[in-house]
Amino acid sequence: AQSVTQPDIHITVSEGASLELRCNYSYGATPYLFWYVQSPGQGLQLLLKYFSGDTLVQGIKGFEAEFKRSQSSFNLRKPSVHWSDAAEYFCAVGAGGNEKLTFGTGTRLTIIP
Amino acid sequence: DTEVTQTPKHLVMGMTNKKSLKCEQHMGHRAMYWYKQKAKKPPELMFVYSYEKLSINESVPSRFSPECPNSSLLNLHLHALQPEDSALYLCASSQVASGTLPPGQYFGPGTRLTVL
Repeated sequence: AQSVTQPDIHITVSEGASLELRCNYSYGATPYLFWYVQSPGQGLQLLLKYFSGDTLVQGIKGFEAEFKRSQSSFNLRKPSVHWSDAAEYFCAVGAGGNEKLTFGTGTRLTIIP
Repeated sequence: DTEVTQTPKHLVMGMTNKKSLKCEQHMGHRAMYWYKQKAKKPPELMFVYSYEKLSINESVPSRFSPECPNSSLLNLHLHALQPEDSALYLCASSQVASGTLPPGQYFGPGTRLTVL
C-alpha cells in the first residue's frame, strides 16, 4: 500500500524568502505524485503532478517540485514566497490505474512580513 | 470552464433531517469523487464514480448515500447523521484513470456541514 509522510507540521517563512516543503513517499512501483494547496475554508487546488520523465516539475503560482527516487522524496520549492502563499499544503501519491489518492497529513505555511 | 461547484456552501442539520449535497462540473470528466475532511486533517476518500457507476466505496456508513444522475452531477444524500459527521465535504472530478496514469483531481470549494 502507498503512504506519504510530510515531516513538517508547520513552517514559518519570511515574505520574499525561499521555501522548501518536504514529502516522502512509500510505494512499491513508480509513484504518481501530486502537490495540492488549500487556503482556509476552501477546496484543494492542484499545484503540480509528476508521472514520469523529467524529475523537475513546474507548476502553477511559481512552484516546482523535484522527484528523487533514491530518497523517495518529492519536495516542493518556491524561490520567493508571497503573503498569499500562506495555506495548507498536501502531498499525495496515486497508484497506477487507480483513482485513489493517499494524502500526507499536510504542512501549514505561515508567511511573516 | 475548469471549475467544480458545490452547493450549499454551509449546511446545518439535525440528526433526524434528510438533506443533500450537490456537485457539478463541466470539464468533461467522467470520474467524480466525494471526500470528507475534518479540521486540520487531510481529505479522506468516501466514494468514487467512474462513468456514472459507483466504483469505490470506502466502507462509508449507509447514512451517506451517493448518486450520480449524469456525467456532470454528483449528489450526496444525508440521513440520520451523527454529530461526528460534521466536516468539510469535498467533491472532486478527473479524467478516468487510463490503466497506467492516475489523473490529477480537481476539487470544489466544499460544503461545511454541521450536525446538531
